[in-house]
Amino acid sequence: GDSVTQMEGPVTLSEEAFLTINCTYTATGYPSLFWYVQYPGEGLQLLLKATKADDKGSNKGFEATYRKETTSFHLEKGSVQVSDSAVYFCALSENSSASKIIFGSGTRLSIRP
Amino acid sequence: EAGVAQSPRYKIIEKRQSVAFWCNPISGHATLYWYQQILGQGPKLLIQFQNNGVVDDSQLPKDRFSAERLKGVDSTLKIQPAKLEDSAVYLCASSSLAGVNEQFFGPGTRLTVL
Repeated sequence: GDSVTQMEGPVTLSEEAFLTINCTYTATGYPSLFWYVQYPGEGLQLLLKATKADDKGSNKGFEATYRKETTSFHLEKGSVQVSDSAVYFCALSENSSASKIIFGSGTRLSIRP
Repeated sequence: EAGVAQSPRYKIIEKRQSVAFWCNPISGHATLYWYQQILGQGPKLLIQFQNNGVVDDSQLPKDRFSAERLKGVDSTLKIQPAKLEDSAVYLCASSSLAGVNEQFFGPGTRLTVL
């Protein structure tokens, strides 16, 4: 079945460091890919998405590119801030309306001032 | 627009007791999902409704879990009887039928079974 594998955490970085969180997926079709974020004490929020190969999703300085050839959707940010401390989930959904989302196990990110 | 509402936010029960969670999705969203998120893991789908019909309940432990969405709007998830391993956050999400699936999540209910 479909699955998502993401980089294990926790990841600890200093403020203004470059961030990469790796994510790879297995899917039979051509899924949409997502990054969700869970800030402390809050619910899951969609951070960015990409719906087809070579699409780049971006939001709040974060980016991820849908790479079909490597089945990857790595999350990157050039300069992290303390406010980026959260748990990040890579996820996929088959490209039909109202399809379920399959999540990775999450990566906890902590940013030191 | 108002987001997905869930209650209660926290619940502590003893094993073998019963518990129920409530979810009210975003207005107009036809699809409603219940996920279980165990500490340190990603959310796992328990059940998916489209309007008031069940689309996927393949991972719902039906001997103890039940869910309903009688009028195609709000939904209730019940556990009876609870086990220690049911301790988790129960997330409700909703989505519209249009376009690429984007799910909106509620704040979750944190269940502790003692």
